[in-house]
Amino acid sequence: EAGVVQSPRYKIIEKKQPVAFWCNPISGHNTLYWYRQNLGQGPELLIRYENEEAVDDSQLPKDRFSAERLKGVDSTLKIQPAELGDSAVYLCASSISGGAWETQYFGPGTRLLVL
Amino acid sequence: DQQVKQNSPSLSVQEGRISILNCDYTNSMFDYFLWYKKYPAEGPTFLISISSIKDKNEDGRFTVFLNKSAKHLSLHIVPSQPGDSAVYFCAAGNAGNNRKLIWGLGTSLAVNP
Repeated sequence: EAGVVQSPRYKIIEKKQPVAFWCNPISGHNTLYWYRQNLGQGPELLIRYENEEAVDDSQLPKDRFSAERLKGVDSTLKIQPAELGDSAVYLCASSISGGAWETQYFGPGTRLLVL
Repeated sequence: DQQVKQNSPSLSVQEGRISILNCDYTNSMFDYFLWYKKYPAEGPTFLISISSIKDKNEDGRFTVFLNKSAKHLSLHIVPSQPGDSAVYFCAAGNAGNNRKLIWGLGTSLAVNP
């Protein structure tokens, strides 16, 4: 079974430029998460989707971040414009909803460096 | 305010010995706890979990203990192997709170041959 796929793996941009990250979850997983992980920290949830619906985006900085999950499968996270403080690893995870708790499966992440 | 705390940034053990990683939490509403392992340049990998109705869960070499009164959980790895060298994250959540996981800062484990 293929795992969560993310691209690109690395991205270097200058501040004020836009950037986008793509995620393909595990087949059949209807819940998708975007996390940001800063160096030396644990992952911080940005947004969670149940199918196409964003059910928790309370931590997403909406002035510059946007996300979409068309057709309830792939998802894209965008930053426009990027700031120096956005340098981090952006992780995508997926799970199957329905049980008391779902195990989240993570992709390898996209490492973003904003210069 | 760090609701999930892993107070040891690093731990070093000899191959074959026991590794004990600790995690403390402050929110008594957490009802589910998970441990993830992370290798460099990879995403976290689920290791083991425990619900608040249990005090122990075992999976092979990995055992998680939960002490609700002390708001403390620990991960035991016996015997430790060099391939266990990674960063271990403790995470906690509440099924009724949008199932949001709160993560600790991680503990870097080095298992020496």
